[in-house]
Amino acid sequence: GQSLEQPSEVTAVEGAIVQINCTYQTSGFYGLSWYQQHDGGAPTFLSYNALDGLEETGRFSSFLSRSDSYGYLLLQELQMKDSASYFCAVRDWGANNLFFGTGTRLTVIP
Amino acid sequence: DTGVSQNPRHKITKRGQNVTFRCDPISEHNRLYWYRQTLGQGPEFLTYFQNEAQLEKSRLLSDRFSAERPKGSFSTLEIQRTEQGDSAMYLCASSLGRGSGANVLTFGAGSRLTVL
Repeated sequence: GQSLEQPSEVTAVEGAIVQINCTYQTSGFYGLSWYQQHDGGAPTFLSYNALDGLEETGRFSSFLSRSDSYGYLLLQELQMKDSASYFCAVRDWGANNLFFGTGTRLTVIP
Repeated sequence: DTGVSQNPRHKITKRGQNVTFRCDPISEHNRLYWYRQTLGQGPEFLTYFQNEAQLEKSRLLSDRFSAERPKGSFSTLEIQRTEQGDSAMYLCASSLGRGSGANVLTFGAGSRLTVL
């Protein structure tokens, strides 16, 4: 089976940088994904890491350390519109589904 | 392309009734997933199709739940004899079948079920 741990809530100031951590346990790790979901909206894909290191996409970056079973999502130059829930999700070898964590609710304040 | 389309967006039903949800995936995506999400939780995997073949089913999918994807295009999720515990948002997602695109799920807006 799989398990994921991420903080339930994070609050940060507009313009600042915030890091959302995710630790996972899985029987056969294949990759770690991040999704954003605004209230009442659908989850939308942000990033995917299969190998160790940092992936950067604009203001968002995602990091993976497979030896530590750990990853994080880094959001820079926070904007009010970044207030949302952020989910990490893992895929196992041989599986075709994503297993999602319970999500981190990010609140950006002025 | 209009993305992943789900209907109906909202469904209110009485306990014991049957309900059916429809999902129209992105046309070039051959993988289709159904997830369920309750308030404050992440999406929970229900089932997965590769083209018309249902390849994986979660143990969450009791015998009251059935999903189909005839001809590998749209999919339906039927819940028979609904229970109050079935109240949730039912999310459909699709993805490409291979390469890096297989790791990018595009979700629909969901179908919210309320069982009274």
